[in-house]
Amino acid sequence: LAKTTQPISMDSYEGQEVNITCSHNNIATNDYITWYQQFPSQGPRFIIQGYKTKVTNEVASLFIPADRKSSTLSLPRVSLSDTAVYYCLVGERTGTASKLTFGTGTRLQVTL
Amino acid sequence: NAGVTQTPKFRVLKTGQSMTLLCAQDMNHEYMYWYRQDPGMGLRLIHYSVGEGTTAKGEVPDGYNVSRLKKQNFLLGLESAAPSQTSVYFCASSLSGRLETQYFGPGTRLLVL
Repeated sequence: LAKTTQPISMDSYEGQEVNITCSHNNIATNDYITWYQQFPSQGPRFIIQGYKTKVTNEVASLFIPADRKSSTLSLPRVSLSDTAVYYCLVGERTGTASKLTFGTGTRLQVTL
Repeated sequence: NAGVTQTPKFRVLKTGQSMTLLCAQDMNHEYMYWYRQDPGMGLRLIHYSVGEGTTAKGEVPDGYNVSRLKKQNFLLGLESAAPSQTSVYFCASSLSGRLETQYFGPGTRLLVL
């Protein structure tokens, strides 16, 4: 059964760029890829969304290769407040339909 | 504009008891969702609704029922709670599509003894 997978954890120093990859080799053809951030005891919060190539907003960039089987969330110059769990969300193909599937989540720890 | 709210914030149940979790949104969103999140795990979709009066099963629907009688409310029911349903439950809503930005509530912590 195809899964949407991410590295379990990553560590970074403040000020560095962090890249978190999500593998979704069973992504539905027409669905977007969305990334969320979650702090302890809170619900996830939207970061960025894209369909292909590159998307950038004020907090992150999202890189999606042509085959769309993976995506990379890029956080420029992280700070301590970026310590959180990051999830990708995709639609996985199930026959002729697709189902919403969150990735396994990546716990990012930022230190001084 | 409160966004998405959930009631209650925390609840303890005994095995076999029933309860209803309430989710309310004031953004006039069509789509609403219920997820569960277990320790150290991601979110799994229980049920969702694409509009008032409609509901559909997600990834882990067994043991839960839902209703969407009003557009702004989405109720999640546990008819006979089991310890395996101990989890944090999140409600979310989106404007008009499954993969549009979802806005999440603060969560309900449920402990089933």
